[in-house]
Amino acid sequence: DTAVSQTPKYLVTQMGNDKSIKCEQNLGHDTMYWYKQDSKKFLKIMFSYNNKELIINETVPNRFSPKSPDKAHLNLHINSLELGDSAVYFCASSQGGLVYHEQYFGPGTRLTVT
Amino acid sequence: RKEVEQDPGPFNVPEGATVAFNCTYSNSASQSFFWYRQDCRKEPKLLMSVYSSGNEDGRFTAQLNRASQYISLLIRDSKLSDSATYLCVVNVNSNSGYALNFGKGTSLLVTP
Repeated sequence: DTAVSQTPKYLVTQMGNDKSIKCEQNLGHDTMYWYKQDSKKFLKIMFSYNNKELIINETVPNRFSPKSPDKAHLNLHINSLELGDSAVYFCASSQGGLVYHEQYFGPGTRLTVT
Repeated sequence: RKEVEQDPGPFNVPEGATVAFNCTYSNSASQSFFWYRQDCRKEPKLLMSVYSSGNEDGRFTAQLNRASQYISLLIRDSKLSDSATYLCVVNVNSNSGYALNFGKGTSLLVTP
């Protein structure tokens, strides 16, 4: 049973394209996150949603737009992809957005922009 | 100054050795501290939380020094399977909610 799943696992695309990454969790958590891990392995939070509402929006280009249709899903849409967007994107979930609980990460989506 | 700093390593140790990792954080308002483990090309997974009084989980011991803003992880009797990157993680509560700040990680390689 996959707790946090992401699709696709690999994504290779050209500059200027628009792409989406999907995330689903079956843990019943109320908070979901998107993180970016760059080539230097630095993991940085991008967005956090609690009960479908945006609660954290770090300094991220507005080409990145998260969408949460329900508590179990948090998708990430990226417009006009740039070379610098190449990274591994991790989705995560936890129970409780304002008090810490363990975060469970998805397997990651490796995005390569050419 | 980076929010969470770690020595990237790599630390190469033989099986059975004891190894320690250190981490410093910059935000004195941080309230929760953790060590995550990330295997190559995999997602991070929680290894252990770090409590003020220090805590132990089997071969792993975590310590917190709030005055020095310093966290440590000690691994005793290293196993080959301990080879991974260890991420120091610190939370900061803000008006916009809860955020986790990850260090860049310390790479450990345990050799036969």
